[in-house]
Amino acid sequence: DAGITQSPRHKVTETGTPVTLRCHQTENHRYMYWYRQDPGHGLRLIHYSYGVKDTDKGEVSDGYSVSRSKTEDFLLTLESATSSQTSVYFCAISGAELLGAQETQYFGPGTRLLVL
Amino acid sequence: RKEVEQDPGPFNVPEGATVAFNCTYSNSASQSFFWYRQDCRKEPKLLMSVYSSGNEDGRFTAQLNRASQYISLLIRDSKLSDSATYLCVVNIADSWGKLQFGAGTQVVVTP
Repeated sequence: DAGITQSPRHKVTETGTPVTLRCHQTENHRYMYWYRQDPGHGLRLIHYSYGVKDTDKGEVSDGYSVSRSKTEDFLLTLESATSSQTSVYFCAISGAELLGAQETQYFGPGTRLLVL
Repeated sequence: RKEVEQDPGPFNVPEGATVAFNCTYSNSASQSFFWYRQDCRKEPKLLMSVYSSGNEDGRFTAQLNRASQYISLLIRDSKLSDSATYLCVVNIADSWGKLQFGAGTQVVVTP
């Protein structure tokens, strides 16, 4: 299994509070991603990173920010949590930059976030 | 219209039987295709990549039909452990390294 961990694994928070989720990888992959998964929807991309300090928005980025100061860590911040951000959050990594590699992504175990 | 569409199921399959299901995608320029498996409350895991000529991995066979823009997954001799949700995944053609995920097809294998 790819070396990807997420913390915390579970979190309950209140509306209006900031929340930061952490993704840590030991694979030295360039690409990292944050997704959310909700019933009836596929995984939806929030933000992604293609290198240290290089990030871009995905399809559901409103209300979220990210930072990547080191290759191995990608942080997702909910600036002011809302109930609509209750979800399961998955981090993924990809070695897509490797010559000949496909764009396969490998996922962390997920963080279950409940916003009350 | 969703970019990747799947029948949500569930497909209820007797143990030992064969089950097959499709996924359609909207962007004809997509080049990379995958099937992922997701168990309840777990992360998605790569099951197999899908190649133009079709490919097989044990009891699993994947096919790509570019003309009709769909990919298929066939599971032979179903095992109880095959019960899961199968996610169809397609690359976003104009954006390297980004993938589009279907909502998944649930398969339930019964004794």
